[in-house]
Amino acid sequence: DVKVTQSSRYLVKRTGEKVFLECVQDMDHENMFWYRQDPGLGLRLIYFSYDVKMKEKGDIPEGYSVSREKKERFSLILESASTNQTSMYLCASSLFSLAASYNEQFFGPGTRLTVL
Amino acid sequence: AQKITQTQPGMFVQEKEAVTLDCTYDTSDQSYGLFWYKQPSSGEMIFLIYQGSYDEQNATEGRYSLNFQKARKSANLVISASQLGDSAMYFCAMSTYQAGTALIFGKGTTLSVSS
Repeated sequence: DVKVTQSSRYLVKRTGEKVFLECVQDMDHENMFWYRQDPGLGLRLIYFSYDVKMKEKGDIPEGYSVSREKKERFSLILESASTNQTSMYLCASSLFSLAASYNEQFFGPGTRLTVL
Repeated sequence: AQKITQTQPGMFVQEKEAVTLDCTYDTSDQSYGLFWYKQPSSGEMIFLIYQGSYDEQNATEGRYSLNFQKARKSANLVISASQLGDSAMYFCAMSTYQAGTALIFGKGTTLSVSS
């Protein structure tokens, strides 16, 4: 069974802390994504990666960085957490596809991060 | 601009009734794909159904069907015979050449099914 796992389901951190959110997929997918989900705003793309050590900014990269040292692992880093980063964070992965019209993404269970 | 619009923040339906969740999209690409995902209260995103822009038939997967009207740029999800377990948030999403590997998501519709 294909799987995307995230290191924590729930996380509570303090303002100013450095926060690491880890995502691992076992499907040998090239593409990995980090989204943030807030009520009424849907899913917004933070960063994505199409290969090891490659990354691209999404719609809301400010305050975040990412790391992809291995194909199966994609980490989201909050350098100095702030209360406005309290949110649900979803990781996803997909296969490389030449057909731009089809790139189904497989999602992890999400991490609910609270920054106090 | 590429965009997905879901105009229904919340929908209510009784068990065994059919329900339609609306989705309109905007893209200048000729080749694109449309997806629907379900997100229960537990948080995981579950893929439901896919429609390619060149597919002539509407996609169906069990109780789910996608009512694809290309000229109107709409891709509505129809759930037949609703069940209590269908209560969840539903997201419409689009993939295009311009968007690259990323999906563009709508803001979601919360569906509540009552007995």
